[in-house]
Amino acid sequence: DAGVTQSPTHLIKTRGQQVTLRCSPKSGHDTVSWYQQALGQGPQFIFQYYEEEERQRGNFPDRFSGHQFPNYSSELNVNALWLGDSALYLCASSFRTGGYTFGSGTRLTVV
Amino acid sequence: KQEVTQIPAALSVPEGENLVLNCSFTDSAIYNLQWFRQDPGKGLTSLLLIQSSQREQTSGRLNASLDKSSGRSTLYIAASQPGDSATYLCAVWAGSYQLTFGKGTKLSVIP
Repeated sequence: DAGVTQSPTHLIKTRGQQVTLRCSPKSGHDTVSWYQQALGQGPQFIFQYYEEEERQRGNFPDRFSGHQFPNYSSELNVNALWLGDSALYLCASSFRTGGYTFGSGTRLTVV
Repeated sequence: KQEVTQIPAALSVPEGENLVLNCSFTDSAIYNLQWFRQDPGKGLTSLLLIQSSQREQTSGRLNASLDKSSGRSTLYIAASQPGDSATYLCAVWAGSYQLTFGKGTKLSVIP
């Protein structure tokens, strides 16, 4: 049973560029959440998608946007990248109150 | 606003010792609490999920307890091994659709 799959594993971008990260949820899960984790910190909630709609958003600017597809997979888009956007981006899937399953993350470096 | 605190921030123990990691949260109206393990630069691995109606959960050498009224959870690791070295994160789900994380406890088990 495949868990949460994220791609790519690593990414290097230049300031001002745009990036798209992808996530496939665990089989049976219908909800996808995205988190940003800076070095030495706990993950911070970006947003959650359910039924192809953004259900809740954390304290992140509009440069961060997302999408959920009919097969429950999701994308995270970040526009006009800043150096401060460098972090580990984690995708988590869930179904009701059954707990969250996280992927291995995408390490984004902005230079 | 929910806040999660983990103490200690770092812990070093000799192999074979039993140890306890602590997690406290400010809003006791939670749906569940989840403990994760994170290896350096990697994603999160779920260790134990405790629903709000439960007092504890066990998996192998791990035991997690939950006291909602006092806003506390503990993760007990028996007979620690060098392979247990990692950062342990506590996260609560309360009222909104996001998980709120602590900053983690970095555990080092010395052979």
